[in-house]
Amino acid sequence: AQSVSQHNHHVILSEAASLELGCNYSYGGTVNLFWYVQYPGQHLQLLLKYFSGDPLVKGIKGFEAEFIKSKFSFNLRKPSVQWSDTAEYFCAVNAFRSSNTGKLIFGQGTTLQVKP
Amino acid sequence: GAVVSQHPSRVICKSGTSVKIECRSLDFQATTMFWYRQFPKQSLMLMATSNEGSKATYEQGVEKDKFLINHASLTLSTLTVTSAHPEDSSFYICSADTGANVLTFGAGSRLTVL
Repeated sequence: AQSVSQHNHHVILSEAASLELGCNYSYGGTVNLFWYVQYPGQHLQLLLKYFSGDPLVKGIKGFEAEFIKSKFSFNLRKPSVQWSDTAEYFCAVNAFRSSNTGKLIFGQGTTLQVKP
Repeated sequence: GAVVSQHPSRVICKSGTSVKIECRSLDFQATTMFWYRQFPKQSLMLMATSNEGSKATYEQGVEKDKFLINHASLTLSTLTVTSAHPEDSSFYICSADTGANVLTFGAGSRLTVL
């Protein structure tokens, strides 16, 4: 069965520190990959996505992610975090064979706390 | 941008009663909407796919008679939790594909069953 694993459950950083959140998935075929963010009290928002092409994708608010097919990974990065980046981050995968887009498989989520 | 609205955002009900949660696409039409469930400190789990004008498609392990889904129009899908019990307490989130294979999520509805 398909699965998504986020290695870091809770990350605490100081402002200006660099961020990398790990995401690995298990599926041998073609996938669409997503990172969503959920700020406190708000709904899920799309940070970035990868469908095809350049494996290094840039999203909103200075985030980027790199798809490494050989490692089944899609890690999220940001060079310098801000206090406002404090949120829950979810990696999600949509297997290409799925009959609909909504069949996203989500990782467990990573809580990022940025200290001012 | 595309907005998905959920109502109510919070609901508390007594055990044995039914609760209806609405999911609306405010500025676009959604032939398909999706219902997720999120337990505290856990990930989102897809419950069912709501199809306008036809029956919903449920994921394995989700009781169809327990979680009734109706998608009567291109902008509205409803989830009714029937005969709710405390174990149904959870955060229910709907989403819709706005096009280009990207989902927009509602703010979620927190159900507490006493």
